[in-house]
Amino acid sequence: QKEVEQNSGPLSVPEGAIASLNCTYSDRGSQSFFWYRQYSGKSPELIMSIYSNGDKEDGRFTAQLNKASQYVSLLIRDSQPSDSATYLCAVRPGDMRFGAGTRLTVKP
Amino acid sequence: GAGVSQSPSNKVTEKGKDVELRCDPISGHTALYWYRQSLGQGLEFLIYFQGNSAPDKSGLPSDRFSAERTGGSVSTLTIQRTQQEDSAVYLCASSLDGGGPQTQYFGPGTRLLVL
Repeated sequence: QKEVEQNSGPLSVPEGAIASLNCTYSDRGSQSFFWYRQYSGKSPELIMSIYSNGDKEDGRFTAQLNKASQYVSLLIRDSQPSDSATYLCAVRPGDMRFGAGTRLTVKP
Repeated sequence: GAGVSQSPSNKVTEKGKDVELRCDPISGHTALYWYRQSLGQGLEFLIYFQGNSAPDKSGLPSDRFSAERTGGSVSTLTIQRTQQEDSAVYLCASSLDGGGPQTQYFGPGTRLLVL
């Protein structure tokens, strides 16, 4: 079992819709959770971080964490074509472990 | 410094040659990470430094790979006797501290092509 699992996609949504990205992790001791966005040919950049159960909102982005279910998600409201990228989930039990990423395409 | 810097940005080498990749972390960041990303793949953890020591070397794929960090700053990743499967983007990241919920900031990467 991989430490951090994501659906590889591609996930395609129309412009203005909600994009939902999911991630599960195996280490119950994990305390820190991150979502990174990576445009093609570029380095990852941090979108959201979350440390407590529940929701955390930042603009159009909402991260959701459920430690009991070992599940973290990212919702993107009012999706824009510029949101088209690969989204990486990262989990920190100690050092950082990344999922393989979900490729999101937002169609105009 | 403004951010994490890496050099060279691109490297083409012949199979069997050694290569050295450099990472200069954000000033004051004590933790430094190396990752590898093959085309279309996720990030593969290689090694983590806290200061000059490497508590976790578990991700290094073979004994051809080594890394060091001196002065708690610059790190060098060395690949000896390169193979074609070593071709990938090598990303370096740094964070303020190795513990706690510290965010990692990535450099632009070094694109390595082994012919």
